[in-house]
Amino acid sequence: QVQLQQPGAELVKPGASVKMSCKASGYTFTSYWINWVKQRPGQGLEWIGDIYPGRGITNYNEKFKSKATLTLDTSSSTAYMQLSSLTSEDSAVYYCSTMRFAYWGQGTLVTVSA
Amino acid sequence: QIVLTQSPAIMSASLGEEITLTCSASSSVSYMHWYQQKSGTSPKLLIYSTSNLASGVPSRFSGSGSGTFYSLTISSVEAEDAADYYCHQWSSYPWTFGGGTKLEIK
Repeated sequence: QVQLQQPGAELVKPGASVKMSCKASGYTFTSYWINWVKQRPGQGLEWIGDIYPGRGITNYNEKFKSKATLTLDTSSSTAYMQLSSLTSEDSAVYYCSTMRFAYWGQGTLVTVSA
Repeated sequence: QIVLTQSPAIMSASLGEEITLTCSASSSVSYMHWYQQKSGTSPKLLIYSTSNLASGVPSRFSGSGSGTFYSLTISSVEAEDAADYYCHQWSSYPWTFGGGTKLEIK
């Protein structure tokens, strides 16, 4: 079965960076885009960007272009998202999703706090 | 970018009631997709490509629409339907989500 495994939580200091993972299994990793979505507490969903493992192509929401960097390790079927220069506005749950948003990871809760 | 506006923001429904949630797009989109999100969980795909039920989704859910106006209908609300519902377009980058409708059960 299709699974996307994400770490549960990350605690990071303001100004620092964080790199979170999304390990895929149960399907051909290189065939489907991986999307990343942000959800702040009590708020809606925001699309950050996507990456195509078959060719390494990326697309970003303009809002997140200077904040997020999407990368891959196809050898381990893992997608990564790095967030830089973190502030309290970046405290949120970050989801990865694939197969046209049919499958979602459990999300990584990023808390930015000194 | 295409802005999706959902209404109402909050809906209160009785068990067995038929309800319709709407999603209006600022520009025409080819399809609309709908997700259900229960508290503390990941979004779950309900309807894809406007009117297709995702795997395992009860038949009381249905979707319709075209162009700039789409809707999600629950024919007979059940207690387990209490959740947030989001519409979503991936016709035009950047992909966007509606602000959500919170469904409460009376």
